[in-house]
Amino acid sequence: EAEVAQSPRYKITEKSQAVAFWCDPISGHATLYWYRQILGQGPELLVQFQDESVVDDSQLPKDRFSAERLKGVDSTLKIQPAELGDSAMYLCASSLKGSGNTIYFGEGSWLTVV
Amino acid sequence: GENVEQHPSTLSVQEGDSAVIKCTYSDSASNYFPWYKQELGKRPQLIIDIRSNVGEKKDQRIAVTLNKTAKHFSLHITETQPEDSAVYFCAARTSNTGNQFYFGTGTSLTVIP
Repeated sequence: EAEVAQSPRYKITEKSQAVAFWCDPISGHATLYWYRQILGQGPELLVQFQDESVVDDSQLPKDRFSAERLKGVDSTLKIQPAELGDSAMYLCASSLKGSGNTIYFGEGSWLTVV
Repeated sequence: GENVEQHPSTLSVQEGDSAVIKCTYSDSASNYFPWYKQELGKRPQLIIDIRSNVGEKKDQRIAVTLNKTAKHFSLHITETQPEDSAVYFCAARTSNTGNQFYFGTGTSLTVIP
């Protein structure tokens, strides 16, 4: 069964350092999502891509977060500089293009900022 | 945007009993409602979903009901087993703003053997 791949699984970084997460969606999935999940809460959308274009990044803290999906396949989410409050799990998900398709999540990248 | 509320936040049931988790949504343009199960430290996994043109869907011990008029949907798990213990999230997808998914805050279900 195809899965969404993410790396790294775990990352510990110091405050003010830069950190990056990578995601490879399920082959053929045109829509890619980055979610942030704080322990005990539901996933919150950070950015949504349709192919290489950003569909929604209204909840992305653009002063420190950036995301790209240059060739419309894999994607990178970057945080610079990291802050203590960024500690969370960063989930990547993907879906087929169009309505009526559910999203499938990767295993997530756990970030701890110290 | 859409607002999804989920209740209860925690739920404990005896093994073999039923569990019900309820969600409400605000956007009448929402048309697809999946439910995810997330075990500790793992990815959310889809367990069942329902579309807005259907009122009920069942898959073995799991069922979901949707009331479009009242804008609420519920997850029903019958004959619960210890392995059903996990956090369950509901979600609603709105056809507005690029088919975004909005998630509830989760229900931590514990099935007591």
